[in-house]
Formats: sequence, structure tokens, C-alpha cells
Amino acid sequence: EDKVVQSPLSLVVHEGDTVTLNCSYEVTNFRSLLWYKQEKKAPTFLFMLTSSGIEKKSGRLSSILDKKELFSILNITATQTGDSAVYLCAVGDSNSGYALNFGKGTSLLVTP
Amino acid sequence: DTGVSQNPRHKITKRGQNVTFRCDPISEHNRLYWYRQTLGQGPEFLTYFQNEAQLEKSRLLSDRFSAERPKGSFSTLEIQRTEQGDSAMYLCASSSGQITEKLFFGSGTQLSVL
Repeated sequence: EDKVVQSPLSLVVHEGDTVTLNCSYEVTNFRSLLWYKQEKKAPTFLFMLTSSGIEKKSGRLSSILDKKELFSILNITATQTGDSAVYLCAVGDSNSGYALNFGKGTSLLVTP
Repeated sequence: DTGVSQNPRHKITKRGQNVTFRCDPISEHNRLYWYRQTLGQGPEFLTYFQNEAQLEKSRLLSDRFSAERPKGSFSTLEIQRTEQGDSAMYLCASSSGQITEKLFFGSGTQLSVL
């Protein structure tokens, strides 16, 4: 059965800190890995990674995928209170059709 | 607002009642998904439509659940004879044909079964 494990499950940091969120996975036939941010209700798309070693970057957020070691990290630099959210990692498996397998998420709280 | 729209936002029902949720995807998206999320968990896949065809269903989708997407536009998810274990956030998402995994989620319908 496909598995997506995120760590830590929760994290509290001060504004300005840098955080690293982890996502490891076990899937039969890897297709893609995605990161979403969920603030209140609707998860919003951050990154999609399909190739190993290529960093995706958007402002203070960046992510990289290691297909050999089966994990991805999401980095947030110079954190702001608006970064407080649950960050979800999801993996697409070609053997599972169009379903994405989500991890439980990392709950990030950035304090002033 | 051209995002994914879900109605109602909240639904409280008694055990044994039937409920129906509606999802209006982004207009140009031909793919539509339903996910379920409980507290402290990530979303779990329920079902997938490409246009009006329901192409995939999770084993989580018991006989009491049915989803439709007539004419390939909006979709409905119906739960019959609700149980307390059905209490969850029901999320709808849509995507275009080009990048199928880049899902755009609605704000969900929070179901509470008493």
C-alpha cells in the first residue's frame, strides 16, 4: 500500500526563522510529488516535482525531490506569521490512477 | 469568483438521513475529484471524473455513497443513511488536462452526523 509520511507533525517557530519540512514516500510507480498549503479549508498548490535534484523555488519557499532516497523537503526562509498553516505532501502513483496519496501534513505555527 | 465552489459550507444531519453536496469546478477544467478529510489527517481520495465519466472510485466509497457529474459540469456527492463515521470535510477539486495533478480545491463541505 502506498505510504506518504511527513515530519514533523507540528512545529512552532519565531518569525524570521528558517524551517524545513520533510516528506518521505513509498509508492509502486512514482509519477509526481506535490506540496500544498492548507490555511483554513481549501489546500492551495505550491509545487509539483517530478525530477530528482531540481529545485523548485517561489519567493521564500523552495522544494527539492530525491527519487533515489524517496523523499522531498520544503524549505521556508525568513518565516512570517502568514506562513502559519498545514503543509500537505501528496504523491501520485501511476498504478493508482489519478488519485493523489496525501500525508497527514505538518502544522506550522509562526509566532511574532 | 472563478475558483472551485462547494455548497453547502456546513451540513448537520441526524444519523440515517441522506445528504447531498454540490461542487462547481473551474469552468475550463474537465477533471473533477472528491476527497474526504478528517481532523489531523490528509485528504483521502474518493472518486474521479473526466468530463461526465466516473473513471475511478476508492474502496472508501461504500454503497451508500454515489457521485454524479451530469453533462460534465457540476458534480454532486450523495451519502445515503448517514453514519457518525461519515462526519468529515468533503473536498472537491478540479484540474485541467495539461497538468492533471495540479488540483484546485474548493473550501469543502463540513458534514457533522449526530
